[in-house]
Amino acid sequence: NAGVTQTPKFRVLKTGQSMTLLCAQDMNHEYMYWYRQDPGMGLRLIHYSVGEGTTAKGEVPDGYNVSRLKKQNFLLGLESAAPSQTSVYFCASRPGDRSTPLHFGNGTRLTVT
Amino acid sequence: DAKTTQPNSMESNEEEPVHLPCNHSTISGTDYIHWYRQLPSQGPEYVIHGLTSNVNNRMASLAIAEDRKSSTLILHRATLRDAAVYYCILRMYSGGGADGLTFGKGTHLIIQP
Repeated sequence: NAGVTQTPKFRVLKTGQSMTLLCAQDMNHEYMYWYRQDPGMGLRLIHYSVGEGTTAKGEVPDGYNVSRLKKQNFLLGLESAAPSQTSVYFCASRPGDRSTPLHFGNGTRLTVT
Repeated sequence: DAKTTQPNSMESNEEEPVHLPCNHSTISGTDYIHWYRQLPSQGPEYVIHGLTSNVNNRMASLAIAEDRKSSTLILHRATLRDAAVYYCILRMYSGGGADGLTFGKGTHLIIQP
């Protein structure tokens, strides 16, 4: 049982390039989330999804887009990367019951030069 | 989600108990107290949660003050593998609005051999 898998693990982009981060979960979870974590900081919510075909903005959504075409996958896109988007990105998922804990992936470290 | 206050860092010795405090003076009656931890280079990991009564699981114990304005995460016998950042988070189980946990900076726990 893999849990939450994020690909890639590392990526270096030049300013203005685009890329997509993939999050896949095999637990049949309804809710999925994208967070970013900057050095010495806690995690900040970028976007989230409460089910297949739905997405919503979190605390810091600007510069990012997301899609949830399949229940098990949640994609985070950067259309035109900026150095301010250098960060570690974490994906998480949970079942529909809000009392249940979140399950996190091990992150994607992105550097934009 | 309401705000929590934790010490920036704490140090303990291996094989001794560790008490990690958290203040949440603005907690509401529907807020659950969640604890997560983040080991180096990994995503956050759920530890424990509770509402009013003290809780125990295989990882830790959670002691909640009678007025619920503070709580303490207890690691009964710390090992080097418990060195991590510990996050205390309040979570409502009802209502609409943005979903997802709100992470502060947490407490960096250092374990000395």
